[in-house]
Amino acid sequence: EIVLTQSPVTLSLSPGERATLSCRASQSLSGSYLAWYQQKGGQAPTLLIHDASSRATGVPDRFSGSGSGTDFTLTIARLEREDFAVYYCQHYGHSLWTFGQGTKVEIK
Amino acid sequence: QVQLQESGPGLVKPSETLSLTCSVSADSLSYHYWSWIRQPPGKRLEWIGYIFESGSTNYNPALSSRVIMSIGPSKSQFSLKLSSVTAADTAVYFCARHSGSWRYFDLWGQGTLVTVSS
Repeated sequence: EIVLTQSPVTLSLSPGERATLSCRASQSLSGSYLAWYQQKGGQAPTLLIHDASSRATGVPDRFSGSGSGTDFTLTIARLEREDFAVYYCQHYGHSLWTFGQGTKVEIK
Repeated sequence: QVQLQESGPGLVKPSETLSLTCSVSADSLSYHYWSWIRQPPGKRLEWIGYIFESGSTNYNPALSSRVIMSIGPSKSQFSLKLSSVTAADTAVYFCARHSGSWRYFDLWGQGTLVTVSS
């Protein structure tokens, strides 16, 4: 089973700053089948990025994804107040869906 | 906009069966895979299993001996049964819709907390 490790656990930034979140896989991800989700307190997660770098419908272009192999990154170009939330990466492989432990982006 | 809503008991006794239903605000479950995902307190999300409109299923091997998913009670609902629960099964349980490529989840319910305790 592939394990996804996200870093940092918590990221403290101010509105307008750039956020860089990392997701590292224990093995190379074939097909770059990696997604990113945003979860705000008490709400359902929402899909932001799929296939490592494709934005989901309606997602602002300040969100971007990159990476391949074992290292993937979610970048938020300029943080807006509604972006402070928890972010999860997720992989599909061998009929199993797995998630990272999450990164909390909090207001500094 | 399609919405998902989980329902079921919030408290289950150890060794009993946890039963949840996901109601989808659409005419049917057609054309998508549908999953249950859970998140124990302080832990990462864990995929439990999926069901397709035909009723075919696939479960996480770590839970497969205790999980049964089914379509119903209505054609726009699907259900989860997890047997022989322990405190380790305490979690927020989400239902979710797979995207068209089925590798991701493009729509989630709000989640429901199920506590296993006597």
